Amino acid sequence: EAAVTQSPRSKVAVTGGKVTLSCHQTNNHDYMYWYRQDTGHGLRLIHYSYVADSTEKGDIPDGYKASRPSQENFSLILELASLSQTAVYFCASSDAAGGSAETLYFGSGTRLTVL
Amino acid sequence: AQKVTQTQTSISVVEKTTVTMDCVYETRDSSYFLFWYKQTASGEIVFLIRQDSYKKENATVGHYSLNFQKPKSSIGLIITATQIEDSAVYFCAMREGSNNNAPRFGAGTKLSVKP
Repeated sequence: EAAVTQSPRSKVAVTGGKVTLSCHQTNNHDYMYWYRQDTGHGLRLIHYSYVADSTEKGDIPDGYKASRPSQENFSLILELASLSQTAVYFCASSDAAGGSAETLYFGSGTRLTVL
Repeated sequence: AQKVTQTQTSISVVEKTTVTMDCVYETRDSSYFLFWYKQTASGEIVFLIRQDSYKKENATVGHYSLNFQKPKSSIGLIITATQIEDSAVYFCAMREGSNNNAPRFGAGTKLSVKP
């Protein structure tokens, strides 16, 4: 069973502060993703990566940076947190073996509240 | 650009009946993959079923099946003999077949199954 671990599970941050959300997977998956969930918007893609040391912008990358220092780890960085970034953040991973057909394995999510 | 639309915000059904959830998608790729995921009340997101664009036969897994209407760019999820534990939010997703891209999700449909 694929395992994707996110930390922290929840966080309260102050406006203008820096926030780092971490994601670790133990299944040798090549692809990793960060999605944001807000009521009424489903899951929106922020950044993703298909190889270590490289990241790609998703649909809503503004205000977010991503880092993939190794195959196992993928971080999402909010340099200057804003109220509008209050949301639940999900990390996911997938294998490259089947190409685009591979399904996603999700972490448990991080609930971020910016005050 | 790829896009996934779920117009049903919520559905309520009586236990043991059949429910259909709608999803339409937009893509310019001739090859793509369609997925349905389930988010439980705890927040966990799990893969349910998938349809490859080149396959004519509708996918079936357990009491989940798909109604794939390619000319209409539609992929409906059908749940037969619904159970209380099917109550959840269901997300439709699409991933284009070209290399190194990421799945996009719809806004989700909340299903409530009542006794």
